[in-house]
Amino acid sequence: GAVVSQHPSWVICKSGTSVKIECRSLDFQATTMFWYRQFPKQSLMLMATSNEGSKATYEQGVEKDKFLINHASLTLSTLTVTSAHPEDSSFYICRGGGTGLAEAFFGQGTRLTVV
Amino acid sequence: QKEVEQDPGPLSVPEGAIVSLNCTYSNSAFQYFMWYRQYSRKGPELLMYTYSSGNKEDGRFTAQVDKSSKYISLFIRDSQPSDSATYLCAMTLNTGGFKTIFGAGTRLFVKA
Repeated sequence: GAVVSQHPSWVICKSGTSVKIECRSLDFQATTMFWYRQFPKQSLMLMATSNEGSKATYEQGVEKDKFLINHASLTLSTLTVTSAHPEDSSFYICRGGGTGLAEAFFGQGTRLTVV
Repeated sequence: QKEVEQDPGPLSVPEGAIVSLNCTYSNSAFQYFMWYRQYSRKGPELLMYTYSSGNKEDGRFTAQVDKSSKYISLFIRDSQPSDSATYLCAMTLNTGGFKTIFGAGTRLFVKA
């Protein structure tokens, strides 16, 4: 299957700082990137959907100014958690889909811990 | 009612058992059906992908879709301890763009 590379796999940051998470589609063009958040033993919560070259669409309750998403190219999308706080600690996962690619493919996930 | 219902488990079976994982859904517009496996602290990995009613087999895994009953299943034969993971069902419909809904995931433990 297609590969989405997500980095970093884990990060620890101080409260108030910003963290950037990258997702790259390695062997296909990800026209759409989905960003999820997952709490322990819970399922995936869709945060936002981004299409290459346009603004992301955020799900209800997700602060767009806090979770900045950039999808400037067909192979790279980034999620920046701004002014992170301990309650932002979670597992963040991207999922890249191409045109007509119904199943899409997940990145490896990023474990964010804010101290 | 959730669009996709999946029993979170946990489900514990002995090694070698046949495992049956299930999801039901309410939206008949779903066109694509997937099963993902997620190990702890990892991203989900696509296991099976199908779009029609019936069975699809891949090694020890069989995905079954019954659109008339709005019911999908994943069977794992000869289960191994390495199969211990959370299994997520997912369904996609095309609304001009693909919208995918995930089940809550079933935690499976295969005991040696």
